[in-house]
Amino acid sequence: QSALTQPRSVSGSPGQSVTISCTGTTSDVGGYDYVSWYQQHPGKAPKLMIYDVSKRPSGVPDRFSGSKSGNTASLTISGLQAEDEADYYCCSYAGSYTLVFGGGTKLAVL
Amino acid sequence: EVHLVESGGGLVQPGGSLRLSCAASGFIFSNCWMSWVRQAPGKGLEWVANINLDGTEKYYVDSVKGRFTISRDNTKNSLYLQINSLRAEDTAVYFCARAINTGIDFFDSWGQGTLVTVSS
Repeated sequence: QSALTQPRSVSGSPGQSVTISCTGTTSDVGGYDYVSWYQQHPGKAPKLMIYDVSKRPSGVPDRFSGSKSGNTASLTISGLQAEDEADYYCCSYAGSYTLVFGGGTKLAVL
Repeated sequence: EVHLVESGGGLVQPGGSLRLSCAASGFIFSNCWMSWVRQAPGKGLEWVANINLDGTEKYYVDSVKGRFTISRDNTKNSLYLQINSLRAEDTAVYFCARAINTGIDFFDSWGQGTLVTVSS
């Protein structure tokens, strides 16, 4: 049950695109299509942004997209906006009804 | 609208116990797996436990096995987390969350969290 690996921070200017990676193993990210992404603003509860690798819940802008290749999942945010500045966490099923999160990535919109 | 409200957090000495509660509304509670997720101050999210629809199946992260117990009361639309033998590293905000697809997929709704502080 080791945490998934995410970059500590990423940054981009308004209107640009950024991609956040989430690396695991064949026992979690690589083994299942149950990867989700959460946005968390300071002092707030996490908010679901992507589920099942690339599906978007209703209400989430289509600027947010997800993908996976092998043991690495990715969240891409295009057309960056100031309100996108937040912490982002990936999460994956890890077998035996357990889940594991990534360490989190702080997104700065410059 | 789904609404989850946690309570029961507080300051507790090492070795002590607490019972966290989560009151659910806005959905059919008995139809949903539920989870606890925690976040230590300034740190990332950590999945803690899952429970199935009738409370007969429970799953935990290794670091809390034998000390934490997840439970639910479908007649009261409530989720619980009994936390015993508390350690400093259990200091965190504890969130309850609705878990989708038998608890193996994603969390679509979260409470605001309740803070547990373990300190002498």
